[in-house]
Amino acid sequence: GQSLEQPSEVTAVEGAIVQINCTYQTSGFYGLSWYQQHDGGAPTFLSYNALDGLEETGRFSSFLSRSDSYGYLLLQELQMKDSASYFCAVRGPGGYSTLTFGKGTMLLVSP
Amino acid sequence: DTGVSQNPRHKITKRGQNVTFRCDPISEHNRLYWYRQTLGQGPEFLTYFQNEAQLEKSRLLSDRFSAERPKGSFSTLEIQRTEQGDSAMYLCASSPLGGGREQYFGPGTRLTVT
Repeated sequence: GQSLEQPSEVTAVEGAIVQINCTYQTSGFYGLSWYQQHDGGAPTFLSYNALDGLEETGRFSSFLSRSDSYGYLLLQELQMKDSASYFCAVRGPGGYSTLTFGKGTMLLVSP
Repeated sequence: DTGVSQNPRHKITKRGQNVTFRCDPISEHNRLYWYRQTLGQGPEFLTYFQNEAQLEKSRLLSDRFSAERPKGSFSTLEIQRTEQGDSAMYLCASSPLGGGREQYFGPGTRLTVT
């Protein structure tokens, strides 16, 4: 089956850089996705890694090491609006098209 | 707005009642997913459709839950004989074919069973 571990909470100040780690166990790995969810809102796709290395999308970057079953989301130049929950997710268990999410990391950005 | 929509946004029901939720996906998306999310947890997969075919159901999904997507467009999720443990946010998402990488979520239906 699939399982993912990520820290429950991370705090940082505006303008800083923060890294949210995710380790996973999966019976078949296809890729690691990251989603953002503001309180009361819908999850929104941020980034995806299928291969090892860094993917950059504006202020957000995501990294994957398949040999370590590990990835992280890097948020730079933090803004107050980045305060949200961040979820890593792997494909499965329903095959290629379904997602299993971690429990999420709540990021609190302070002034 | 061409995003995923869900109705109702909130539902309060008494234990033992049946409830039905509706999801309208992004029109060109073939795949539609249902998830359940409780406080402090990530979305938990329930079931998904490709067009009108239901291709996968979670083993955790009670037989009180049923979902349909009759014409490959909107979908409904019905919960029969609701229990207090069913209280949660029910999220719908859609994606184009091969879209396990990126799914587009609706705002959810928050169910409270009293």
